[in-house]
Amino acid sequence: GAGVSQSPSNKVTEKGKDVELRCDPISGHTALYWYRQSLGQGLEFLIYFQGNSAPDKSGLPSDRFSAERTGGSVSTLTIQRTQQEDSAVYLCASSPWTGLNTEAFFGQGTRLTVV
Amino acid sequence: DAKTTQPNSMESNEEEPVHLPCNHSTISGTDYIHWYRQLPSQGPEYVIHGLTSNVNNRMASLAIAEDRKSSTLILHRATLRDAAVYYCILRDVSASGSRLTFGEGTQLTVNP
Repeated sequence: GAGVSQSPSNKVTEKGKDVELRCDPISGHTALYWYRQSLGQGLEFLIYFQGNSAPDKSGLPSDRFSAERTGGSVSTLTIQRTQQEDSAVYLCASSPWTGLNTEAFFGQGTRLTVV
Repeated sequence: DAKTTQPNSMESNEEEPVHLPCNHSTISGTDYIHWYRQLPSQGPEYVIHGLTSNVNNRMASLAIAEDRKSSTLILHRATLRDAAVYYCILRDVSASGSRLTFGEGTQLTVNP
């Protein structure tokens, strides 16, 4: 595809359930970033990947959050035992590499609602 | 991360130029100045970036002060579609993965 694709676009889940959010970056982009945006708030950095490795996981809010990337392409963000405060839009972005002089391309996000 | 300061909101009229200011007095020599915007219910969208010289692209122009402590994003003719939150971001080597750190941004309203 031409851009960053995220699925599902919307997800409603019950408190305590696990959810998986998927991100398909632009082909060939080695850098991939996850952010979340709570209602009316700014973007909060969660984690980034360089290839398949995640050098910095410090932005993940708790150990219920994990992410992986396989084949240097698709990434999955998993939230276990979801809580209501996890409700937010989860955004994925990719860049050709982790340089200062590159642009990041964002997906449309996954809106997660925990009821 | 070096910080930026932007007005919370600005208004413009359609088809008029818009100048969105950003202060970054603690910028270091290697920091790039990036601008992104976020339209309602969409992910952020890259607008423009620069280091020292002014930059132009099809979307906008970026004017960077000589001392690099401030910059201005210029939309030459605002349209209703330009109504969005505009983020001025310093991309620096100290941020892991050169990640973008978003602040509050400027909410731009375009009046017909």
